[in-house]
Amino acid sequence: QQQVKQSPQSLIVQKGGISIINCAYENTAFDYFPWYQQFPGKGPALLIAIRPDVSEKKEGRFTISFNKSAKQFSLHIMDSQPGDSATYFCAASSHSGSARQLTFGSGTQLTVLP
Amino acid sequence: DAGVIQSPRHEVTEMGQEVTLRCKLISGHNSLFWYRQTMMRGLELLIYFNNNVPIDDSGMPEDRFSAKMPNASFSTLKIQPSEPRDSAVYFCASRGGRNQPQHFGDGTRLSIL
Repeated sequence: QQQVKQSPQSLIVQKGGISIINCAYENTAFDYFPWYQQFPGKGPALLIAIRPDVSEKKEGRFTISFNKSAKQFSLHIMDSQPGDSATYFCAASSHSGSARQLTFGSGTQLTVLP
Repeated sequence: DAGVIQSPRHEVTEMGQEVTLRCKLISGHNSLFWYRQTMMRGLELLIYFNNNVPIDDSGMPEDRFSAKMPNASFSTLKIQPSEPRDSAVYFCASRGGRNQPQHFGDGTRLSIL
């Protein structure tokens, strides 16, 4: 029940296209859904996050869409650029317990072709 | 601001040797997380600390792994004895509060021969 399932495993997009990465979860206690971006040789870095009281959050070219009833959320990258080529991880956590642990998806390797 | 600092960045050692990975938290942060990343298993949480106290070490794979926080700004992850299957990238992350994001270091790439 703690799993977060992420797809696709890899994605190739042309420059200027839209990149879409999907995640699904089972634990209804999850109430925080961040996306992390990781470049080779670097640690994951927070990109954008959403809480379930809204269905969409947009920051620049990056948008999270959240469907609470379906227990799914997705990352959309508009006007994808070669510099967006990286591995993207979705994650989820709940406020229960003494600390927020993140449960990560398996990652999506995005390649944006010039 | 300095981010989370991990050392060494790369470690290559022989099976059976002791390995110590180090992590310096962002100043003012009070939670510390150790992760292991592999192709097969992705990002796995090994252990986390809150205010220097280990809260959950259920992700630590075996007794060969141990982690400490001798003070509020520093942590170590030790593997003794090391085995080839411990080869991975180890990340630490710190956080300033329960509702704040985790900030990751750039990891230690560990290779056990």
